[in-house]
Amino acid sequence: NAGVMQNPRHLVRRRGQEARLRCSPMKGHSHVYWYRQLPEEGLKFMVYLQKENIIDESGMPKERFSAEFPKEGPSILRIQQVVRGDSAAYFCASSPAGSRTDTQYFGPGTRLTVL
Amino acid sequence: AQSVTQLGSHVSVSEGALVLLRCNYSSSVPPYLFWYVQYPNQGLQLLLKYTSAATLVKGINGFEAEFKKSETSFHLTKPSAHMSDAAEYFCAVSDRDSGNTGKLIFGQGTTLQVKP
Repeated sequence: NAGVMQNPRHLVRRRGQEARLRCSPMKGHSHVYWYRQLPEEGLKFMVYLQKENIIDESGMPKERFSAEFPKEGPSILRIQQVVRGDSAAYFCASSPAGSRTDTQYFGPGTRLTVL
Repeated sequence: AQSVTQLGSHVSVSEGALVLLRCNYSSSVPPYLFWYVQYPNQGLQLLLKYTSAATLVKGINGFEAEFKKSETSFHLTKPSAHMSDAAEYFCAVSDRDSGNTGKLIFGQGTTLQVKP
């Protein structure tokens, strides 16, 4: 039973480019969360999605960031016109039902470096 | 709003010694609490969780945590540290202020160093 998959594991972009981060949840899980870990900080919630729906995007920066979880395929976190401050580790987690007591299973993360 | 505070960003113990990692929470409603471990360059792995059942929760790798409402604490302990326990540990609370979304609010993390 494969765990949460994220790719790429490492991504290097120059300022102004676009970054696309992919997350495939565990089999049978239809709820996906994205978190960002800035250097020397804990994880911060960004967005919560179910298939084809954004449920809570209260942690997403207002500009340049977007997320989707289509009916088929992985969830995508997209960062347009990246800046150095976007350099961080981005983690995806999935859960079976998205409730408060559910365990969230985390992927290995994508480490984004903006030059 | 809910929050968690981890006291001590770095904790160092000798192999075989007691591990105690502190976590205090703030919540106006009964909280659901989690401890996760992160090894270098890896994702987070659940150690244990409290969801209003028994106040003493046993997890993987010999870790346990006790929910103390009077102290608003959920400290993580292990009787005897092993070298493989060296990692970063995160305490988290499930946000109950914004509906049943399950999003987690994390503490700043505590790095555990185990000395031989």
